[in-house]
Amino acid sequence: GENVEQHPSTLSVQEGDSAVIKCTYSDSASNYFPWYKQELGKGPQLIIDIRSNVGEKKDQRIAVTLNKTAKHFSLHITETQPEDSAVYFCAASRANFGNEKLTFGTGTRLTIIP
Amino acid sequence: DTGVSQNPRHKITKRGQNVTFRCDPISEHNRLYWYRQTLGQGPEFLTYFQNEAQLEKSRLLSDRFSAERPKGSFSTLEIQRTEQGDSAMYLCASSLVQDLGTGGKVGTEAFFGQGTRLTVV
Repeated sequence: GENVEQHPSTLSVQEGDSAVIKCTYSDSASNYFPWYKQELGKGPQLIIDIRSNVGEKKDQRIAVTLNKTAKHFSLHITETQPEDSAVYFCAASRANFGNEKLTFGTGTRLTIIP
Repeated sequence: DTGVSQNPRHKITKRGQNVTFRCDPISEHNRLYWYRQTLGQGPEFLTYFQNEAQLEKSRLLSDRFSAERPKGSFSTLEIQRTEQGDSAMYLCASSLVQDLGTGGKVGTEAFFGQGTRLTVV
C-alpha cells in the first residue's frame, strides 16, 4: 500500500518568514495530493491540493509543488502569520474516484513566533 | 452549520464496554469515510461507503468494529468490547462523486468533521 513520509515533524519560524514542509510517497499510481491544516480540537481542513498533471499550484500565500519522478511534494507558506500555527498533514491517494481513501503523513507542527 | 457533524464530541468508557459514534455528512454527499487518529499521528483510513454500500475496510478495522450507513445518509461506527488501544480520535469525512456519463467521474474534496475523541479507561 501507499506510504507517505513527512518532514520535519516540528517547525518554528519567525512571523513573516517562509515555511516549507516536505513529503514523499511510495505508490506511483497516486495522483492526488492534498494538504490539510488541523487546529487543536478540530478536524483536518483542506488548504490546497494538487493533481499529478500539474507541477505547481498557488493560492495566495500558500503554494504546493509536485515532482512525480522523485515522488515528492512540498507545501510552501510565505509571509507567515500567527494564525498559521497548527499541525499540517500531507496526504496522497489514487483519486480516480474509484478509490479515494487518503494516506496521510505523520504531520508537522508549525509554530509562528511573533 | 452545514458541515460534517459528529456526535458525541467526547466519550469516556470503561474497558470492555461497547460504544457507538454517529456521523452526519454534508447533505447530498454520497461518499462517507471513517478515519482514526492517534496522538501525534496522521489520520488512518478505516472504511468508506458509497451511499449505503460499504466498499472497503482497512485491516485496522478488527471484528470488534462495525460501521453502517443504512439509508445512505448518516453513519454509525460501533466498537464492541473496547480496549485501551482503541483510545483515539475517530474522524468522519464526506465527499460527492458524480458520474459524468462518459465513463468518467468528478468529485469534491473530502470534508472532515471535528471528530469524536474516545478514551478507554
